Parts: sequence; structure tokens; C-alpha cells
Amino acid sequence: QSVLTQPPSVSAAPGQKVTIPCSGNSSNIGNNYVSWYQQLPGTAPKLLIYDNNKRPSGIPDRFSGSKSGTSATLGITGLQTGDEADYYCGTRDSRLSAGVFGGGTKLTVL
Amino acid sequence: EVQLVESGGGVLQPGGSLRLSCAASGFTFDDYAMHWVRQAPGKGLEWVSLISGDGNSTYYAESVKGRFTVSRDNSRNSLYLQMDSLTTEDTAFYYCAKDVMGQPGPHWGQGTLVTVSS
Repeated sequence: QSVLTQPPSVSAAPGQKVTIPCSGNSSNIGNNYVSWYQQLPGTAPKLLIYDNNKRPSGIPDRFSGSKSGTSATLGITGLQTGDEADYYCGTRDSRLSAGVFGGGTKLTVL
Repeated sequence: EVQLVESGGGVLQPGGSLRLSCAASGFTFDDYAMHWVRQAPGKGLEWVSLISGDGNSTYYAESVKGRFTVSRDNSRNSLYLQMDSLTTEDTAFYYCAKDVMGQPGPHWGQGTLVTVSS
């Protein structure tokens, strides 16, 4: 059971937009920055978003992040088959004094 | 270019110990906190530990607290994870990652596999 809650899977057609929610509480998302990671099969996770909505260099602006209260959302527009991957949200939990991740969401581009 | 290379993984029996290493290059190592993150085969990511740049502050997931010890040698640009009293639940790929704003950042190692099995 992960501290942060994500749907196990989402799907959308190529070219469409998809959002992936991540739910937490006041000790984690509510008072800390959220990051998002993409993991392709057999590879290490890749940082897509940090500080709720900032993109590292090289990450296309098709990827966006937002946060409201104790929830965060990853948005992906102009879906491509290459976006099929597992996506994880992560943050710090101030009560646990530890990092936490969501359980991950598998994106299928139909 | 930032590079992180983990080593030290292997197969061992429950109750055993193992020390993982992460060799860092391409950045000023002691300027950055470092994370360990693990992933059991076919499962999600689990944050394991964080150590500050000077090594004076360390943090652990509840699942490893008291059994794992994170350390670093800034003179060798190296990060370590000493894992004791291992159980089958510790079987996973272990990744080291450079910190960005308190979270694992854009630079991760390729991972090293630890298998605990009788």
C-alpha cells in the first residue's frame, strides 16, 4: 500500500491528452513539492517534473505538472506510442521524514 | 556529463549482509544530497534512504530503518548502502539518484540487482 495514491492504469489515443492524478495528504503533497517520473520497461526512472510544475532540460512541454491542496496531476498532450510507460509521483513526507512514491500508473496509448 | 554507477549487487541468503556502492562523476559530489531508491521485480518504486551532501544527515524508509545504513565518502565521490539482516522482501533493483530540491532528480544510475533467497 503506497502512501500516495495513483490509478493503476490510464489509456488514450495517439494525439490525445491524458491526465494522471496523485493523491496524498497534508504531511506529504499538501506541504511539499511533487515530482513525476517516467519509467520505460527495463530502464531507470526518468524525471519529468520537479517542484510541482518545472521541467528539467530536455523534457518537452507536452509534459506538465500541477498541484492543488493534497493532490497533484501529470498532464501529457499530443500522446505518442513512445509515451507508453509507467508513471510515478513522488514527494517528501514531513511526518515520516522520508521520501514517498505513488504506486505507479501504466499508460497505454491505444 | 553526470554519471552514477552502482555496484555490489548479488545473490544471498536471508539474514545476510551486503554493501552497495554508487560511483559518481561529472558534478561536485559533496554539493548534493543523494538518494537510494529500490524496485522489486515487477513492482513500483520504493524510496529507501537519503543522505545530505556533508553526510551529517540521514533518513530512511520505515521498512529498512535499523537494518540499512547510508554513508558517503566525498573524497572518493562515492555513496554506499550497507544492508544487514536482509529478507526476501529486500529483493529489488537498487538505484542511486542525485537530489534535486529534496527529491530524486534527473540523474539515476542503471541499478544493481539484489536477490535474497534461500
